[in-house]
Amino acid sequence: DSGVTQTPKHLITATGQRVTLRCSPRSGDLSVYWYQQSLDQGLQFLIQYYNGEERAKGNILERFSAQQFPDLHSELNLSSLELGDSALYFCASSVEARGNTEAFFGQGTRLTVV
Amino acid sequence: AQKITQTQPGMFVQEKEAVTLDCTYDTSDPSYGLFWYKQPSSGEMIFLIYQGSYDQQNATEGRYSLNFQKARKSANLVISASQLGDSAMYFCAMRPSGYSTLTFGKGTMLLVSP
Repeated sequence: DSGVTQTPKHLITATGQRVTLRCSPRSGDLSVYWYQQSLDQGLQFLIQYYNGEERAKGNILERFSAQQFPDLHSELNLSSLELGDSALYFCASSVEARGNTEAFFGQGTRLTVV
Repeated sequence: AQKITQTQPGMFVQEKEAVTLDCTYDTSDPSYGLFWYKQPSSGEMIFLIYQGSYDQQNATEGRYSLNFQKARKSANLVISASQLGDSAMYFCAMRPSGYSTLTFGKGTMLLVSP
């Protein structure tokens, strides 16, 4: 158990809908990262928050947004969903914003858009 | 930009044998970290081992060791005494110092047979 908790584990929704994925980081970790894993794109970094503030942005679509709350949990919001958004979404956390600390991953949320 | 290359889509090994999973990387950053993760069929990403670019010795964690050859820009994972539970997808990743996000390779599927 990595200590990173993601909910829900599975999500099935229709095209055009909006969903929210939730992540609780390991105790003491201030950084939260979101990654998307799909068959064609592999594992791609979406966005990072550190202590409530956006720190880095990757290949995140405009239809997607995220935030980190004062209690450090984070939510990834996906809207106007398309079939191609079906993927495994991971949250990871680490202590620092930068540097060579390990990033521990949650179990992921498997999103299926039908 | 960073790039990770894992040239072996799949590897087969018999139980109790050792196996090497290849990883080469490309970066212009002088300082960076290299990571290996395991992803079993259940989907979670499990951190295995970390190597810093300035570490003098190769990293080891139990049955896992990282064969780090800086001049060749390679960071191969060696699993000794393979077990059936080692069957999984393995990802190599890197993160330059001063940055926090990981760049992943495409992964290698390892199958351990009895």
